[in-house]
Amino acid sequence: EAGVAQSPRYKIIEKRQSVAFWCNPISGHATLYWYQQILGQGPKLLIQFQNNGVVDDSQLPKDRFSAERLKGVDSTLKIQPAKLEDSAVYLCASSSPRGRNRFGPGTRLLVL
Amino acid sequence: GEDVEQSLFLSVREGDSSVINCTYTDSSSTYLYWYKQEPGAGLQLLTYIFSNMDMKQDQRLTVLLNKKDKHLSLRIADTQTGDSAIYFCAVSIYNQGGKLIFGQGTELSVKP
Repeated sequence: EAGVAQSPRYKIIEKRQSVAFWCNPISGHATLYWYQQILGQGPKLLIQFQNNGVVDDSQLPKDRFSAERLKGVDSTLKIQPAKLEDSAVYLCASSSPRGRNRFGPGTRLLVL
Repeated sequence: GEDVEQSLFLSVREGDSSVINCTYTDSSSTYLYWYKQEPGAGLQLLTYIFSNMDMKQDQRLTVLLNKKDKHLSLRIADTQTGDSAIYFCAVSIYNQGGKLIFGQGTELSVKP
């Protein structure tokens, strides 16, 4: 079974620029999550999808962050414009019904 | 909302046992997890316990759950230098779609 794929693995941008991250979940997993992990902290949920619908986006800074999951498979997380405090690791995870979160390797973002 | 707390650091000698502790606030937590994160790497699921269990053992790992005190612990027997990493406690809440609430992580340092 292939794991959760994410790209890019690393990204360096300047503040006020835009950036996008891509996630391909495990085949057949209906639920997809994006977590943000700031250095020295545990991951925090940004958004959760069930198929292509949003289940929970209460912690997503909607003035600058957006996410979509077209066709209920791949997902894209975008930041526009980026701030210094957005420097973090962005983790994508997927799960089957009642299954455990399976995490991808993450995208490390540095905003200068 | 749910809050998960961990001590930040633990230092042990190689061959000793390590005990990493975690407390949580929501009594409707269903699954409780332990993840390991090595520098620059993603999250590795170590073990998990369902909320109706008191203990789970998996080779060198023992998880203890005290539901009354909302306390979870991870014991690593015969700790090795390769166990040096950050360990995260995470909980999922009944009826909240499988998202995880993480603690801030405990950095385990194993000295030879």
